Amino acid sequence: DTEVTQTPKHLVMGMTNKKSLKCEQHMGHRAMYWYKQKAKKPPELMFVYSYEKLSINESVPSRFSPECPNSSLLNLHLHALQPEDSALYLCASSHLPGQVGTGRALYEQYFGPGTRLTVT
Amino acid sequence: KNEVEQSPQNLTAQEGEFITINCSYSVGISALHWLQQHPGGGIVSLFMLSSGKKKHGRLIATINIQEKHSSLHITASHPRDSAVYICAVMYSGGGADGLTFGKGTHLIIQP
Repeated sequence: DTEVTQTPKHLVMGMTNKKSLKCEQHMGHRAMYWYKQKAKKPPELMFVYSYEKLSINESVPSRFSPECPNSSLLNLHLHALQPEDSALYLCASSHLPGQVGTGRALYEQYFGPGTRLTVT
Repeated sequence: KNEVEQSPQNLTAQEGEFITINCSYSVGISALHWLQQHPGGGIVSLFMLSSGKKKHGRLIATINIQEKHSSLHITASHPRDSAVYICAVMYSGGGADGLTFGKGTHLIIQP
């Protein structure tokens, strides 16, 4: 299984709503990532989890709250979003150094299909 | 901030042409990814390179670590190759640092 799944595929929410995005992988990866991609722009890193602990937060507003309940799951909780938060939210996962000895698997990131979020 | 530069930004070619997309970066990296994204779609990893050259079907990726440069080549291009191609690097941080992306190359292959 070399797949990263994300749900939902599409989400429309109002500015007062609370919603969550979900990401799942069963490749034994211990690093998981959230990226945000605005239209016609490259993705930008939001958060990194290493061994289920938040290791990088790229100065993301607190209305985005990540959670990694176990090594296979990554959530992004959304609350009081703004219309400018509308974007494609991508999840990715990879092995971590020390997890595998050598080889390309060390750093390759596997991407999910994304959740297209519209904030109205 | 460390940058990843891609060229060209836009490329239109005829079916069958040989395509080259270039990527350069400023500091040492652990690995470089070439990614493909179709309009409205998710991202697919084409290659992950840390040295040398890799080939998969009609796609070839090369990297020159000393010159901090990588190229993606498409041979016998086809309209279905039309997509955005993105170069992304992981800097030599030792842990999981996330990827830094280039701005992408929008490729259109006309029949």
